[in-house]
Amino acid sequence: QKEVEQNSGPLSVPEGAIASLNCTYSDRGSQSFFWYRQYSGKSPELIMSIYSNGDKEDGRFTAQLNKASQYVSLLIRDSQPSDSATYLCAVLNTGGFKTIFGAGTRLFVKA
Amino acid sequence: DVKVTQSSRYLVKRTGEKVFLECVQDMDHENMFWYRQDPGLGLRLIYFSYDVKMKEKGDIPEGYSVSREKKERFSLILESASTNQTSMYLCASTTYNEQFFGPGTRLTVL
Repeated sequence: QKEVEQNSGPLSVPEGAIASLNCTYSDRGSQSFFWYRQYSGKSPELIMSIYSNGDKEDGRFTAQLNKASQYVSLLIRDSQPSDSATYLCAVLNTGGFKTIFGAGTRLFVKA
Repeated sequence: DVKVTQSSRYLVKRTGEKVFLECVQDMDHENMFWYRQDPGLGLRLIYFSYDVKMKEKGDIPEGYSVSREKKERFSLILESASTNQTSMYLCASTTYNEQFFGPGTRLTVL
């Protein structure tokens, strides 16, 4: 089992729809969780971080965390073509030094 | 803004060559990382450093070494490049949580 698993996609949604991206992780002791966005040919950039169970909202983005289920998700409301990118789920390991990345989910938003 | 720079965006080397990839950050971060990114495999950690002259192996250190003589600079060395080391190499510098990435070096080994 991979340490951080994501559906590779591609996930295709129409403009204006909600895009839902999911991630599971194996390290039960992890306390810090992140979503990075990576445009084609570019390096990843942080868009959301979440540390406690529940929802965290930032503009059109909502991160959800359920530590009991070892599950993290990212919702993108009112999706725009500019949201088309690969989204990487990342988990800081129990020791606090290593961030483990998922392989990423490719999202396409159709105009 | 944090800035992480890498010495080259694109690099072409021949099998057996010694390759140096350099990374510099300007925010006085203690922790620095080298990853490689391959399609379908995501980001894989090669080495990281949490202080000057300190280094720790990541998940795929074989065929690589690193050097950190100054806090702002972290170098990745391919001792004898091989074709399976063709990849995108990303350097990152970090606060406690967020990783700031450099633009990446796309290395092709022929």
